[in-house]
Amino acid sequence: AQTVTQSQPEMSVQEAETVTLSCTYDTSESDYYLFWYKQPPSRQMILVIRQEAYKQQNATENRFSVNFQKAAKSFSLKISDSQLGDAAMYFCAYRGDNQAGTALIFGKGTTLSVSS
Amino acid sequence: NAGVTQTPKFRILKIGQSMTLQCTQDMNHNYMYWYRQDPGMGLKLIYYSVGAGITDKGEVPNGYNVSRSTTEDFPLRLELAAPSQTSVYFCASSYLSGGPYEQYFGPGTRLTVT
Repeated sequence: AQTVTQSQPEMSVQEAETVTLSCTYDTSESDYYLFWYKQPPSRQMILVIRQEAYKQQNATENRFSVNFQKAAKSFSLKISDSQLGDAAMYFCAYRGDNQAGTALIFGKGTTLSVSS
Repeated sequence: NAGVTQTPKFRILKIGQSMTLQCTQDMNHNYMYWYRQDPGMGLKLIYYSVGAGITDKGEVPNGYNVSRSTTEDFPLRLELAAPSQTSVYFCASSYLSGGPYEQYFGPGTRLTVT
C-alpha cells in the first residue's frame, strides 16, 4: 500500500524568507501524481501545486515550487518570499493512476507559521 | 459555480444518534469522495462513488453508509454515532479519477459525538 510521510509536524518562517516542507512517499507504481494542499484555519482544502511522476521538470506556481526526486521518492515544497497568508497546515498527497475511484492518500501535515 | 457544498458546518450528536451529512456539487463531476480528518492527521477515505448508483468503500468505512442517486448529491449517513466518529468530514469531487485532475473539496463538517 502507498504511504505518505511528512516528518516535520511544525515549521516556522519569517516574512519574505524561504521555507521548504518535506514529504516522502512509498509506492510500487510507476505512474502517479503528487500534490500539495494548503489548509488555512477556515479548513478549506486548497490545491497549491501538482506534479506528474512522468515529468522530470519540477512544477512551479508563482512563489511555490517543488523538488521532485523520483528515485528517492521525495517531494518537497519550497515557498519563496513567504507571506503572512501562507500560514496554514500543508498536506502532501499521493494519487495512483491505475484504478477507478483512486482517492488521495495524505500525509499527516505540516503546520507552517509565518512571523513578521 | 458554487463548487462543492456541505451541510451542516457543525453538529453535535449524542452517542447512538444518527444523522446524514449532505454534499452537493454543481460541476457535473462523476467522481465523489468522503474523507474524514482526525486531529493532527491527514484525510482518510471513507467512501467514494464513480457515478450515480455506484459506490465503494474506502479505507475507513465502518459505521457509515452512502448513496448516490444523482450526479450532484452524495450524502453520508452515520448510524449509531460513536465518540470515535468525532472528526471533520470533507466531501470532494473530481472530473476524472486518475491523472492530474484536481479534487475539489467542500468546506467540511465538524462533528462531535458526546
